[in-house]
Amino acid sequence: DQQVKQNSPSLSVQEGRISILNCDYTNSMFDYFLWYKKYPAEGPTFLISISSIKDKNEDGRFTVFLNKSAKHLSLHIVPSQPGDSAVYFCAASSTPSNTGNQFYFGTGTSLTVIP
Amino acid sequence: EAQVTQNPRYLITVTGKKLTVTCSQNMNHEYMSWYRQDPGLGLRQIYYSMNVEVTDKGDVPEGYKVSRKEKRNFPLILESPSPNQTSLYFCASRTIWLGAYNSPLHFGNGTRLTVT
Repeated sequence: DQQVKQNSPSLSVQEGRISILNCDYTNSMFDYFLWYKKYPAEGPTFLISISSIKDKNEDGRFTVFLNKSAKHLSLHIVPSQPGDSAVYFCAASSTPSNTGNQFYFGTGTSLTVIP
Repeated sequence: EAQVTQNPRYLITVTGKKLTVTCSQNMNHEYMSWYRQDPGLGLRQIYYSMNVEVTDKGDVPEGYKVSRKEKRNFPLILESPSPNQTSLYFCASRTIWLGAYNSPLHFGNGTRLTVT
């Protein structure tokens, strides 16, 4: 059963506007969450993460929000740029991460930013 | 440059012909892992290794083997490939030392395997 879900397979946004990608999880033991970005013919690259002790983490144009009670996280990209067009995966893990606990990935959302 | 290197990038083989996909990382990471990506299923973990000579099964280990004889290398072995192993495979690594309490996975560029 999918423990991390991305219910929107695709999203189109105009350049300059906000992109909001959503992710839901079912396992309340998850406490480390990540977003990865993937271009065609490349591996996923780490974008941003958040620990469950926080509800928001920002890095430049990228902000991740975590709502633990709803078991929901979202990635906001502002402003969106054409180079942001890619597939975005969310992932979750539970501590202690230094024991090699698994990362569980969603199915991905394909973002298209229209110039 | 810090990286995870997989070879080959593309591989077409026939059912039953043993193959190995190599993975090497130059970041001195303790943890290495293999994932497969299939449409509608996201990334699913096949095997992982927490250090040399320490390996364990992920969610979809059937039909695969791994070994970790050196810290930098983590090959994925398909002893008798079948068509349902046609997929996009990714190797990944991360550090798990204390102090790197939460650290992200770093991925290779993938190996697209087709088994006919």
